[in-house]
Amino acid sequence: EPEVTQTPSHQVTQMGQEVILRCVPISNHLYFYWYRQILGQKVEFLVSFYNNEISEKSEIFDDQFSVERPDGSNFTLKIRSTKLEDSAMYFCASMVLAGFGKTQYFGPGTRLLVL
Amino acid sequence: SQQGEEDPQALSIQEGENATMNCSYKTSINNLQWYRQNSGRGLVHLILIRSNEREKHSGRLRVTLDTSKKSSSLLITASRAADTASYFCATSEGAAGNKLTFGGGTRVLVKP
Repeated sequence: EPEVTQTPSHQVTQMGQEVILRCVPISNHLYFYWYRQILGQKVEFLVSFYNNEISEKSEIFDDQFSVERPDGSNFTLKIRSTKLEDSAMYFCASMVLAGFGKTQYFGPGTRLLVL
Repeated sequence: SQQGEEDPQALSIQEGENATMNCSYKTSINNLQWYRQNSGRGLVHLILIRSNEREKHSGRLRVTLDTSKKSSSLLITASRAADTASYFCATSEGAAGNKLTFGGGTRVLVKP
């Protein structure tokens, strides 16, 4: 069964460093998302991406964040200058088509720790 | 309560018992989905119920949706130790393809 994959599974970085989190969505999916979950808290929406552009973003997704689909298979989240509060589990999700009965499928997550 | 709030926050049951958890939300929705998360792991999709549906079954899972009360319930029948996880409801509203809004989750412990 096709799955969303994410790399790396864990990343430790120093505050102020740039990180790139990678995702490979399910191959025929057209909608892509990033969410994050701070330890012990809710899963929060960051950004959605369709047709090579951002379709929606949350207040969390400020100028330090960017997304890209560089090669038609990967979907990346870049944090330019990490802060301590960026420490969280980051989930990528994808969906085949928009529709009221469609499911977002999530990857296993990347656990980011900012020191 | 906030969009997609689960109740109870935690539930401890014996293997074989049923587990019921509830989710309330505030806005009009297109669909409501339930996800499972094992400790520190990814989100596994369990079931989706559309706003025009009232009940849905999948294996040992039964989901109900009451749009007049803006609430949903997830029932896991004949629970197993492997069902130990956190369960989240997530709502989708507005245009199709929009974000999911998650609740805070119910932590379920199934004791063997």
